[in-house]
Amino acid sequence: GAGVSQTPSNKVTEKGKYVELRCDPISGHTALYWYRQSLGQGPEFLIYFQGTGAADDSGLPNDRFFAVRPEGSVSTLKIQRTERGDSAVYLCASSSSGATYNEQFFGPGTRLTVL
Amino acid sequence: AQSVSQHNHHVILSEAASLELGCNYSYGGTVNLFWYVQYPGQHLQLLLKYFSGDPLVKGIKGFEAEFIKSKFSFNLRKPSVQWSDTAEYFCAVNARAGNNRKLIWGLGTSLAVNP
Repeated sequence: GAGVSQTPSNKVTEKGKYVELRCDPISGHTALYWYRQSLGQGPEFLIYFQGTGAADDSGLPNDRFFAVRPEGSVSTLKIQRTERGDSAVYLCASSSSGATYNEQFFGPGTRLTVL
Repeated sequence: AQSVSQHNHHVILSEAASLELGCNYSYGGTVNLFWYVQYPGQHLQLLLKYFSGDPLVKGIKGFEAEFIKSKFSFNLRKPSVQWSDTAEYFCAVNARAGNNRKLIWGLGTSLAVNP
């Protein structure tokens, strides 16, 4: 695709509900990243995929958060039992390889609001 | 733990003024350094990056940054700003250790350029 896309662009849910956020990376990009950005903050690393596997999930805040990338392209971030503190913009990025100096291309983000 | 500090949270300049945004990081080893920009209503995009070689790097739209290892700094500069430079600017650092792919981000600097 032309760029990283994320759906939905906005998600409003109630406390305790389950949500899924989707990321479509740039075609051919093997590395995929999820970040979370709260108001007034910089992005915060959540998880990194190289291909289908989660190479580093050390940024996931707790076991309510889980992400998959079953075919090595689209990824889904799943949040169980949402809490008000999960409200943030969830950003996805992809890069052409896992090399650390490669540019990460960002999507527009999904704004999650937990009421 | 690694951290990134951006000294200025809000900067207001007139067109043609010079710009310098400070960025310091805390990590004693080798790093990759990035400046990203987010224009109003747009995605995060890479301005410039440093991973080796000449510590003075040039990016898009006339921006440059200098890596000073002894000061753990990577300040962003532009000799003459334009109204179109109004945006949020983020400094990010990747510690080159093992398989680490995380970017650690600063809080960002909001730049407003008055015409």
